[in-house]
Amino acid sequence: QSALTQPRSVSGYPGQSVTISCIGTISDIGGYNFVSWYQHHPGSAPKLLIYDVTKRPSGVPGRFSGSKSGSTASLTISGLQAEDEASYFCCSYAGPDTFELFGGGTKLTVL
Amino acid sequence: QVQLQESGPGLVKSSQTLSLTCTVSGDSVKSYDYYWSWIRQPPGKGLEWLGYIYASPNTYYNPSLKSRLSISVDTSKNQFSLMLTSVTAADTAVYYCARNPVGYDFYYMDVWGKGTTVTVSS
Repeated sequence: QSALTQPRSVSGYPGQSVTISCIGTISDIGGYNFVSWYQHHPGSAPKLLIYDVTKRPSGVPGRFSGSKSGSTASLTISGLQAEDEASYFCCSYAGPDTFELFGGGTKLTVL
Repeated sequence: QVQLQESGPGLVKSSQTLSLTCTVSGDSVKSYDYYWSWIRQPPGKGLEWLGYIYASPNTYYNPSLKSRLSISVDTSKNQFSLMLTSVTAADTAVYYCARNPVGYDFYYMDVWGKGTTVTVSS
């Protein structure tokens, strides 16, 4: 099964909002509410931002929110800050044969 | 605070077996509260889920790697390990270990290691 599709890059100015899309199929994002999002700064451990489409772990700022429509999931970052510059990956459960699929990652640049 | 640390050889020869270990501190690999995962990222590409283990020996593998991949747990050392046989250049990647909490589901990773780089040479 193919990886989920994310834009290679997005950008925004401090204070603005950006949305990163993650496109899948009925076999993964569209079939289950098990989408998660991760932030990754080079050289550091990836960090969980969102799980089960919309849930935010304790400690993750409310500026990060997740949603889903059909087979497309989205991560919205509002009130952009310089430290948000990183790569972002989506992940979805894809059934009992494939299990987990990741997106190709999106590089966020804060201008 | 839970921490995961990957370790293993940075260089493996083509056709040989890659072995990596993830040392868990602050939690127990025997816990029924977590699955323990391996994920990798080839250079310039996205993440790829490899597999996870739960309450050993329950293992689940990426179907594209299932014939070459094995994940195991060493409870005496509080570690879990990955073995990937017959490696090729396509297995060159940064390898991460991670923890999946069991709750309503277990399909996300809440703690990750920093990753270890593995290069497959010919």
